[in-house]
Amino acid sequence: TQLLEQSPQFLSIQEGENLTVYCNSSSVFSSLQWYRQEPGEGPVLLVTVVTGGEVKKLKRLTFQFGDARKDSSLHITAAQPGDTGLYLCAGSPPFYGGSQGNLIFGKGTKLSVKP
Amino acid sequence: EPEVTQTPSHQVTQMGQEVILRCVPISNHLYFYWYRQILGQKVEFLVSFYNNEISEKSEIFDDQFSVERPDGSNFTLKIRSTKLEDSAMYFCASGYTFGSGTRLTVV
Repeated sequence: TQLLEQSPQFLSIQEGENLTVYCNSSSVFSSLQWYRQEPGEGPVLLVTVVTGGEVKKLKRLTFQFGDARKDSSLHITAAQPGDTGLYLCAGSPPFYGGSQGNLIFGKGTKLSVKP
Repeated sequence: EPEVTQTPSHQVTQMGQEVILRCVPISNHLYFYWYRQILGQKVEFLVSFYNNEISEKSEIFDDQFSVERPDGSNFTLKIRSTKLEDSAMYFCASGYTFGSGTRLTVV
């Protein structure tokens, strides 16, 4: 069974600080997604990374996929109160049978950015 | 931006009753999914649907559950004889895009 471990589980920082959230597994994934989820809402896709070593930037957010496609990180620069929320990583197992693949989710990192 | 629409947003049902959760996926997508999230826990895969049939299902998706896409538009999840432990948020996904979910409460 493939698992994704996210760390830290909780993170409370001051506005303007930088932070990194990690997503680790012993298994290879064909792609990895990062989502943000608000209470009572569905996960909202932030980015998909597919290639080992890939780096994607979304404004102040930088996402990296590990070379071996087993881990990923999300780095936020100069965090703002609007970044507060639950960040989820989700991996898609290697393709088989033509399926796009279901997602395996981590437990999430609950980020709080204080003004 | 294309979105996935789920109805109802909330559903309260008595234990033992059947519920049908509905989803309108993104029109040109091929893969559809149902996930659930029990309060305070992680999102869990239930079933994937491709070319009008189930392509993969998890251990959670037992005989109590069924999915169909009867009219080529709506994608439904039916839960027969609901149990208290079925209470959760149920999310439909079209590719990697999720709907807002249906909060199911079994009393």
